[in-house]
Amino acid sequence: GAVVSQHPSRVICKSGTSVKIECRSLDFQATTMFWYRQFPKQSLMLMATSNEGSKATYEQGVEKDKFLINHASLTLSTLTVTSAHPEDSSFYICSTYRDPFSSGSNEQFFGPGTRLTVL
Amino acid sequence: GQNIDQPTEMTATEGAIVQINCTYQTSGFNGLFWYQQHAGEAPTFLSYNVLDGLEEKGRFSSFLSRSKGYSYLLLKELQMKDSASYLCAVSDSNYQLIWGAGTKLIIKP
Repeated sequence: GAVVSQHPSRVICKSGTSVKIECRSLDFQATTMFWYRQFPKQSLMLMATSNEGSKATYEQGVEKDKFLINHASLTLSTLTVTSAHPEDSSFYICSTYRDPFSSGSNEQFFGPGTRLTVL
Repeated sequence: GQNIDQPTEMTATEGAIVQINCTYQTSGFNGLFWYQQHAGEAPTFLSYNVLDGLEEKGRFSSFLSRSKGYSYLLLKELQMKDSASYLCAVSDSNYQLIWGAGTKLIIKP
């Protein structure tokens, strides 16, 4: 079964509104979650690393005030796209991994993704 | 800097074999992953190599040479459903994945 869930799977919103995307780890506690963005025909781009109980670490060029990340529990991280614009339309994917020291691997488990369309 | 290189696109025939190469330069190494991604879907895990050699899993095999910074994914008995993008990713010293741009594999009848 699914290890990571993501909600919603698809959202269409008007320009200027905010959209919240939830990412849940269903099988294990996830201290760290990753948020990716993928534009059509391009590879995954890491946006930020979300750490439970602390501030997220954003990649260069990603506006932290625009993409708000909250990782308030060990099973839930949220990404809020504030004041969305058409250029924010993309496929947003979250992922997480088990503790590599106990599992022997840091295979990342991906959520099914959220397709955001901003009109 | 950190860099992952893989071909942009490859074409193969149904029933044939195809090898997708990946070369990498990263700060530290904690394993190399191959993922398959169909259009509009999230990536799905195919293989993980952390030691040199060949890992076989059904029709798919993955090879790693750490000294050469090189890996390949071998797909046998190709099926039309194998048409997808194949992503190579390396786990660096911080266990963060560094992603290649992906190889789009086109399977022809």
